[in-house]
Amino acid sequence: NAGVTQTPKFRVLKTGQSMTLLCAQDMNHEYMYWYRQDPGMGLRLIHYSVGEGTTAKGEVPDGYNVSRLKKQNFLLGLESAAPSQTSVYFCASSYGGSRYEQYFGPGTRLTVT
Amino acid sequence: ILNVEQSPQSLHVQEGDSTNFTCSFPSSNFYALHWYRWETAKSPEALFVMTLNGDEKKKGRISATLNTKEGYSYLYIKGSQPEDSATYLCAFPDYGGSQGNLIFGKGTKLSVKP
Repeated sequence: NAGVTQTPKFRVLKTGQSMTLLCAQDMNHEYMYWYRQDPGMGLRLIHYSVGEGTTAKGEVPDGYNVSRLKKQNFLLGLESAAPSQTSVYFCASSYGGSRYEQYFGPGTRLTVT
Repeated sequence: ILNVEQSPQSLHVQEGDSTNFTCSFPSSNFYALHWYRWETAKSPEALFVMTLNGDEKKKGRISATLNTKEGYSYLYIKGSQPEDSATYLCAFPDYGGSQGNLIFGKGTKLSVKP
């Protein structure tokens, strides 16, 4: 099992460009999450999904959109990238709600210039 | 957004020392408490998910205790080794816990010198 994978691993964008980050899991997990990690801020939840076709906002959703068309995939989109979105993005998945551990992907390092 | 506090922010110990750190969370409406270990250049890995007051969990030299009434959890490492060097995160569910979304503390960064 690959677990949770993320594509791409690194990306540099110019301000105003768009991109999509892909998260895939092969553990048949219902719940998936997108976090960003910034120095001194810890992990912060951007959006999450509790099942195929559902999405919900987390703590810092502005400037991002998500889609969960297939159970195994969770996409994070940046429509018009801003330097404030320079961060490391982690995807995670879990079998169920908060009584289940989350499995994290390797991260995507995004720089917006 | 609720607050999850971890202390200390960082810790430097010698190989063989035992150490512990604290996670504080709201004591009302407890649902679960997570501990994760995060090595540099890797991704967080779950250590424990604790759900019962008084719970104690153990994985090798690492153990954790939980006090839901006073809102804290301790993580203990017995006989620290250099490979224990990592940031240890705790996380508490937001919105009652059913949705799975966690609020993470900022972590305790542990450095173990050989």
